[in-house]
Amino acid sequence: EAGVVQSPRYKIIEKKQPVAFWCNPISGHNTLYWYRQNLGQGPELLIRYENEEAVDDSQLPKDRFSAERLKGVDSTLKIQPAELGDSAVYLCASSKRQGTEAFFGQGTRLTVV
Amino acid sequence: DQQVKQNSPSLSVQEGRISILNCDYTNSMFDYFLWYKKYPAEGPTFLISISSIKDKNEDGRFTVFLNKSAKHLSLHIVPSQPGDSAVYFCAARSARQLTFGSGTQLTVLP
Repeated sequence: EAGVVQSPRYKIIEKKQPVAFWCNPISGHNTLYWYRQNLGQGPELLIRYENEEAVDDSQLPKDRFSAERLKGVDSTLKIQPAELGDSAVYLCASSKRQGTEAFFGQGTRLTVV
Repeated sequence: DQQVKQNSPSLSVQEGRISILNCDYTNSMFDYFLWYKKYPAEGPTFLISISSIKDKNEDGRFTVFLNKSAKHLSLHIVPSQPGDSAVYFCAARSARQLTFGSGTQLTVLP
């Protein structure tokens, strides 16, 4: 069974530029999460999807961040414009509807210069 | 306001001995607790979990203990192996949302 796939693995951009991350969850997993992990800290939830519906986006900075999950499968997370403080690892995870554990992708390391 | 805390940023243990990683939480609504392991440049990997209605769960060399009255859980690894060297994250679930601690870097010395 293929795991959660994220791309790109690394991204370096200048501040004020836009950036997008892509995630393909495990087949059959209804729930998809985007997390942000800063250096030396644990992952922090940005948004959670149940199928194509965003059910928890309270931690998503909506002035510059947006996300979508078309057809309830793949998802993209966008930042526009990026700021220096957005440098972090962005993790995508998925789980079954009734599952307890979430399975993570390898993450996208974003560096804003 | 950290709801899940791992107060030890690092831990070093000799190969073959026991590793004990600790985690404290504040939210009584958490219904599941999980441990994840993370190697550099990889995403966290699920290791073991425990329901809030239990006090112990064992899987091979890994055992998780939950003390609800103290709002404390711990992960025991016996015997520790060099391949166990990684960052370990404690996570707690409420309303299908996982809240993570800041992690503990475990180093198992050969």
